[in-house]
Amino acid sequence: DGGITQSPKYLFRKEGQNVTLSCEQNLNHDAMYWYRQDPGQGLRLIYYSQIVNDFQKGDIAEGYSVSREKKESFPLTVTSAQKNPTAFYLCASRTGTEAFFGQGTRLTVV
Amino acid sequence: KNQVEQSPQSLIILEGKNCTLQCNYTVSPFSNLRWYKQDTGRGPVSLTIMTFSENTKSNGRYTATLDADTKQSSLHITASQLSDSASYICVVSGQTGTASKLTFGTGTRLQVTL
Repeated sequence: DGGITQSPKYLFRKEGQNVTLSCEQNLNHDAMYWYRQDPGQGLRLIYYSQIVNDFQKGDIAEGYSVSREKKESFPLTVTSAQKNPTAFYLCASRTGTEAFFGQGTRLTVV
Repeated sequence: KNQVEQSPQSLIILEGKNCTLQCNYTVSPFSNLRWYKQDTGRGPVSLTIMTFSENTKSNGRYTATLDADTKQSSLHITASQLSDSASYICVVSGQTGTASKLTFGTGTRLQVTL
């Protein structure tokens, strides 16, 4: 089936640790995005990539890093520099006017 | 600043009733507006897309309207079902240079009860 796969669905991190969230798509889309969703707020853009080996900071990039070595993959690393990482993270890819979302990863700092 | 505001923030209705969700935006220049449905703990799924020239579009029991002059959109749900319980997010896309950055509303959380 075509789509976007995020893993894991739930992730727990100890303070001071880096964690990487996976996002894979087989839709052959060039553009991929990472969003963060917090209760009562709209989705906020962390990073996006329009093409392989290129990515740009979004509105809240501090404490996050990404890579885009393959068209299909756009992993997000939440570093220890991110002061409030507990949130629901959504990955999306886009063609034309429509964004397709993964099922999300809920990250909790313990 | 591009903004998308949705109302109400939350809504509870009885099964079988109709409801209307509102979306006001200040995104400019405007390209299109989408309504997404997001079940709890899942990713959003597109319901409808409205372009500048479209006033009304239906998708089953969902009907979206757009008034590009007043920059307002609504999503009307007819004969609600329990499975309609979700958050509904209005997303506005700007043209060309801003097209890579979508502006999201905070969503309306709908609960359909017996």
